[in-house]
Amino acid sequence: GEDVEQSLFLSVREGDSSVINCTYTDSSSTYLYWYKQEPGAGLQLLTYIFSNMDMKQDQRLTVLLNKKDKHLSLRIADTQTGDSAIYFCAESKAGGYNKLIFGAGTRLAVHP
Amino acid sequence: KAGVTQTPRYLIKTRGQQVTLSCSPISGHRSVSWYQQTPGQGLQFLFEYFSETQRNKGNFPGRFSGRQFSNSRSEMNVSTLELGDSALYLCASSSSGGVYEQYFGPGTRLTVT
Repeated sequence: GEDVEQSLFLSVREGDSSVINCTYTDSSSTYLYWYKQEPGAGLQLLTYIFSNMDMKQDQRLTVLLNKKDKHLSLRIADTQTGDSAIYFCAESKAGGYNKLIFGAGTRLAVHP
Repeated sequence: KAGVTQTPRYLIKTRGQQVTLSCSPISGHRSVSWYQQTPGQGLQFLFEYFSETQRNKGNFPGRFSGRQFSNSRSEMNVSTLELGDSALYLCASSSSGGVYEQYFGPGTRLTVT
């Protein structure tokens, strides 16, 4: 089946690391994505990882993928107030073309 | 390079009316996908067009339709609007037929009264 789950809320102190978690159920997922949405805006693609990779790093962002447990995480180093937003995990499947299946989103609140 | 643009940004319609939303993809992108975002159901896939052909469709009633033009611009239409159609409608464009980077527009906020 198609199901992507995320915790709904995360609060961190400015300067700390944030870790946002996601689980998915479909083992045929090919790509896994992280998107960011700020109030009143569309979705900003942060990063994505192919399902045969374990890790991907891009500046302050680190994505870890545990395919056995179907667990994906996004770590944001040195979290800033500008990182406050909703973060969506999404998956795609082979043969699904560009259909993305999204989680409910994790609201990240960064406080001083 | 200009991003994905959507028009109009805001729209208020009455129940029973129909509406057409427009999406212009990033130059050179041939795939356009549409999503509906609501507080209750989250982000849900509507359909995808690639080279003027609908390639994939989500679980929405036939009132939701779309099309793509030869310049890759896409429109979606919702007929006989219902209150539950109030949502943010997002389109995304992608350059290839494969599943890689999809870039989203700012969305059209539709309110049905």
